Amino acid sequence: GAVVSQHPSWVICKSGTSVKIECRSLDFQATTMFWYRQFPKQSLMLMATSNEGSKATYEQGVEKDKFLINHASLTLSTLTVTSAHPEDSSFYICSARRTGPSGTQYFGPGTRLLVL
Amino acid sequence: RKEVEQDPGPFNVPEGATVAFNCTYSNSASQSFFWYRQDCRKEPKLLMSVYSSGNEDGRFTAQLNRASQYISLLIRDSKLSDSATYLCVVNGASGNTGKLIFGQGTTLQVKP
Repeated sequence: GAVVSQHPSWVICKSGTSVKIECRSLDFQATTMFWYRQFPKQSLMLMATSNEGSKATYEQGVEKDKFLINHASLTLSTLTVTSAHPEDSSFYICSARRTGPSGTQYFGPGTRLLVL
Repeated sequence: RKEVEQDPGPFNVPEGATVAFNCTYSNSASQSFFWYRQDCRKEPKLLMSVYSSGNEDGRFTAQLNRASQYISLLIRDSKLSDSATYLCVVNGASGNTGKLIFGQGTTLQVKP
């Protein structure tokens, strides 16, 4: 089956630092990737849609200057949490949408971010 | 009102029981519907898509009622390994944009 990887799987950092999370589709091309965030006991919330070769589309309430997204190739999207604060601590999950008519989404294993 | 609403549970059932989860969605233009399963501290995994005619996959049956904007999942002969959170997911806009809207999830605990 299709595989999506994320790196790192967990991060602990000090407040004020920037954290970069990578999302890769390992065996298929993905023109569109999605970034979600999940706080404990809550549902996944879509943060932004990442499109290869163009600017990401952010959901309402998500600061584009704080959550930088780059989708430089058909297999890689990155999310950078800039100047992270404790309230950014969360479970960040990406998904990659297979190019083509089926458009099935496959989720990465997620990245746990803890900002001290 | 949340776009996708689910009863968070938890549902505690014995092995072998039949359990049903319900979900409602607010966007009548939604065209794709799914049930995902999420284990503790893991990513969600697609359990099954939901079609208007209803569909079955082994012990799992999904139903969609577009008129009522209601989706259901029935699990028969529950196994211990079915313990997880079940997420009702709806394509969040008209057309197949890929933007998924997740419900809060319903937690199932199957006990021996």
